Amino acid sequence: GEDVEQSLFLSVREGDSSVINCTYTDSSSTYLYWYKQEPGAGLQLLTYIFSNMDMKQDQRLTVLLNKKDKHLSLRIADTQTGDSAIYFCAEFLYTDKLIFGTGTRLQVFP
Amino acid sequence: DAGVIQSPRHEVTEMGQEVTLRCKPISGHDYLFWYRQTMMRGLELLIYFNNNVPIDDSGMPEDRFSAKMPNASFSTLKIQPSEPRDSAVYFCASSSAGGGYTFGSGTRLTVV
Repeated sequence: GEDVEQSLFLSVREGDSSVINCTYTDSSSTYLYWYKQEPGAGLQLLTYIFSNMDMKQDQRLTVLLNKKDKHLSLRIADTQTGDSAIYFCAEFLYTDKLIFGTGTRLQVFP
Repeated sequence: DAGVIQSPRHEVTEMGQEVTLRCKPISGHDYLFWYRQTMMRGLELLIYFNNNVPIDDSGMPEDRFSAKMPNASFSTLKIQPSEPRDSAVYFCASSSAGGGYTFGSGTRLTVV
């Protein structure tokens, strides 16, 4: 089936690392994505990982993929107040559809 | 490229009226998606097109909703008649095969 789950909220102090977790159910996923949504805006593509990779790093962002457990995480190093947003993970299926998770609202406090 | 362009940004209408939302995808993208976002249900895929042809409309809530893509640079989502429960933010997104989606800024629809 197609189901992507995330925790709803995460609160971190500025300068700390944030880790946002995601689980998915469809093992045929080819790509897994992370999107960011700021208030009043559309979803912005942050990064993605191909399903045969374990890790991808892009500046402050690190994506870890555990394909056996169908678990994906996004780590944001040195979290800033500008990182406050809703973060969506999504799995890309062979049907060319992206299935989105429920989104995790990240709040960064000083 | 100006990205995916949606109009209007905001729409307030009375129950029973027809509403038309518009989308211009990124040139060269052959997939177009319509999503609806609400607090209760999150992001829901309503329908998507490939090369202007509807591929999967299983997410369209009911017959009051219809979508068209008359050419590669334009799509509409129509709700007739509209109801208060249709109030949501409607997003259009486009992509090329296997690519990540690019989203528009959305249309915030309020039906009173």
